[in-house]
Amino acid sequence: KQEVTQIPAALSVPEGENLVLNCSFTDSAIYNLQWFRQDPGKGLTSLLLIQSSQREQTSGRLNASLDKSSGRSTLYIAASQPGDSATYLCAVDTGANSKLTFGKGITLSVRP
Amino acid sequence: EPEVTQTPSHQVTQMGQEVILRCVPISNHLYFYWYRQILGQKVEFLVSFYNNEISEKSEIFDDQFSVERPDGSNFTLKIRSTKLEDSAMYFCASSEWGGGYGYTFGSGTRLTVV
Repeated sequence: KQEVTQIPAALSVPEGENLVLNCSFTDSAIYNLQWFRQDPGKGLTSLLLIQSSQREQTSGRLNASLDKSSGRSTLYIAASQPGDSATYLCAVDTGANSKLTFGKGITLSVRP
Repeated sequence: EPEVTQTPSHQVTQMGQEVILRCVPISNHLYFYWYRQILGQKVEFLVSFYNNEISEKSEIFDDQFSVERPDGSNFTLKIRSTKLEDSAMYFCASSEWGGGYGYTFGSGTRLTVV
C-alpha cells in the first residue's frame, strides 16, 4: 500500500528565502506525482505534475524534482513571498485505477 | 482555464439526513473522482467513476455512499444517512485520461453534520 510522507508538518521562513519542501513515498512504481497548494479552508490548486519518466518540472519560481528509485520528490520555491503561505500537498498516482495518494502536507508561513 | 465546479460550498445537515453534493467536471474529461478531507487529516480517495460506472472505491465508500452522473455534465455524491463522522471537506476531481495529464480538483464542499 502506497504511503506518502511530508516532513516537517510546518515551516516558517523569512521573505526572500529559497526553500525546499520534501515528499517521500514507499512504492516507487508510480505513474506520476503532483504537487498542490491548499489555502486555509479552500480547494486544491495544482502546481506541478511530474510524469514518472521525467526528472523535474518548472513553473515560474517553482521547481519540482522526482527521484523514483529513492521514492522522493522535492518542491523548490525560489525567493519566497508572503503570498506563498499555504499548505503544500504532494500526491502520487500509482496508475492502478487512477487515484491519488496524498501526503498530509507542509504548512508554509513566509514572514514579511 | 477550465474548472471543476462544486456546489454548495458549505452544507449543514442534521444527522440521519440525506445529502447530495454536486460537481460539474471539466467538459472533455472522462474520469471523475470524489475525495474527502477530515479537518487536520490527509485527503483520502473515496471513489473513481468512468464510463458510467464505478471503477474503484475505497473502504470508506460503504453502502451509505453512492455516485451518479445524471446527465452529460453533472456528477453527484449522495450520502444516504449522514453521521457526525461524515463531517469533512469533499472534493470532486476530474481527469482527461485516467490521470495521465494530472487531476483537476474543485474548490470543495464543506459538509457539517450536526
